[in-house]
Amino acid sequence: DTEVTQTPKHLVMGMTNKKSLKCEQHMGHRAMYWYKQKAKKPPELMFVYSYEKLSINESVPSRFSPECPNSSLLNLHLHALQPEDSALYLCASSQAAGANQPQHFGDGTRLSIL
Amino acid sequence: QKEVEQNSGPLSVPEGAIASLNCTYSDRGSQSFFWYRQYSGKSPELIMSIYSNGDKEDGRFTAQLNKASQYVSLLIRDSQPSDSATYLCAQGASGGSYIPTFGRGTSLIVHP
Repeated sequence: DTEVTQTPKHLVMGMTNKKSLKCEQHMGHRAMYWYKQKAKKPPELMFVYSYEKLSINESVPSRFSPECPNSSLLNLHLHALQPEDSALYLCASSQAAGANQPQHFGDGTRLSIL
Repeated sequence: QKEVEQNSGPLSVPEGAIASLNCTYSDRGSQSFFWYRQYSGKSPELIMSIYSNGDKEDGRFTAQLNKASQYVSLLIRDSQPSDSATYLCAQGASGGSYIPTFGRGTSLIVHP
């Protein structure tokens, strides 16, 4: 079990649906991240939150909308996704954003778009 | 652009042997490097962090960092079939950036 908890573990949705991915950590970390990972590829950074503020948006399409309600929670709201968005979505946290900080990953949400 | 290079493998070693995984990086400014293990269909798991030149040992794992040559390696002693996974090398953020850089990973197969 990891200290970063993601729900749901699996999600199947149609292209017109709206759903949310959730991530929670209780390690006191002040940086949280969303990654997308396709099979046999490294994780691809999507968003970085530092002290609950969005610091990095790696040119992610607007159909992905992140939200950080507090220092322990991170959400990713999904709307009108495309089949190519099917992937493993990983949440990670670190003590702070920036150098010298390892990231701790959750188990991920396996997302399938029909 | 920062790059982290790894041979994608697969690297195949017999059980009990030493597995040697290598990684080179382009950004001399980074001070931190990490090795993650990722089983198929699972999330990356941090197994080693290294910040200084030289070796760092943790159980069967040894990370080696050579900043002058810009490479990082991971040695796994007494390899077990359960070590079969993809190993991701990551370079920590540097220069005010919040963005770490991952290599594409090396697939390791330990056969009985």
